[in-house]
Amino acid sequence: DIVMTQSPDSLAVSLGEKATINCKSSQSVLYSSNNENFLAWYQQKAGQPPKLLIYWASTRESGVPDRFTGSGSGTDFTLTISSLQAEDVAIYYCQQYYSVPRTFGQGTKVEIK
Amino acid sequence: QVQLLQSGPGLVKPSQTLSLTCAISGDSVSRSSAAWNWIRQSPSRGLEWLGRTYYGSQWYYDYAESVKSRITIKPDTAKNQFSLQLTSVTPEDTAVYYCVRDSPRKGSDFWGQGTLVTVSS
Repeated sequence: DIVMTQSPDSLAVSLGEKATINCKSSQSVLYSSNNENFLAWYQQKAGQPPKLLIYWASTRESGVPDRFTGSGSGTDFTLTISSLQAEDVAIYYCQQYYSVPRTFGQGTKVEIK
Repeated sequence: QVQLLQSGPGLVKPSQTLSLTCAISGDSVSRSSAAWNWIRQSPSRGLEWLGRTYYGSQWYYDYAESVKSRITIKPDTAKNQFSLQLTSVTPEDTAVYYCVRDSPRKGSDFWGQGTLVTVSS
């Protein structure tokens, strides 16, 4: 199984400041046939299911604000929120969909400082 | 827009079978480019993928090793839904269960509303 490890477990950022979340996979999720990384980011707010933010490591899902940016390749990935808003308070998860079983990181809780 | 609507009991006794159903609107359970998954979430295990079914000239099934001996996921083409059965449950199976559409391009792009299932006598 591919193990996904996120860091940090939690972070507190001032409104308007940048938040950075890291995700590392235990093996590469880069699919050589199309040169895409099968890595997604999700946002989960209290009492709701996770919501897809980013797929293929860096493609924003329709309707997701452009302050959310995904980057990275192979085994190391980053989700950046460029200017934190109050509505961004949530837990963020990375997931690999390169192989089964699908696996998720443990989550990073983002709060307002 | 795809919508997944879950139904099923929120309380199951130990050793009994957990059964949930996920009704699909806006897509088809037998569309070949999608997979239909069950994922659960608990404080102790985080987000845990349980299994999936998908159609590609025949029905295919993949299950997590941790539940492989106890789980069945079944598509129902007549009702455009799929179901989860988990047998011999214990309190460790207490979790919020989600049905999820998985696309090859985007990963888990649509989620059901979630069902809290508590295993208790």
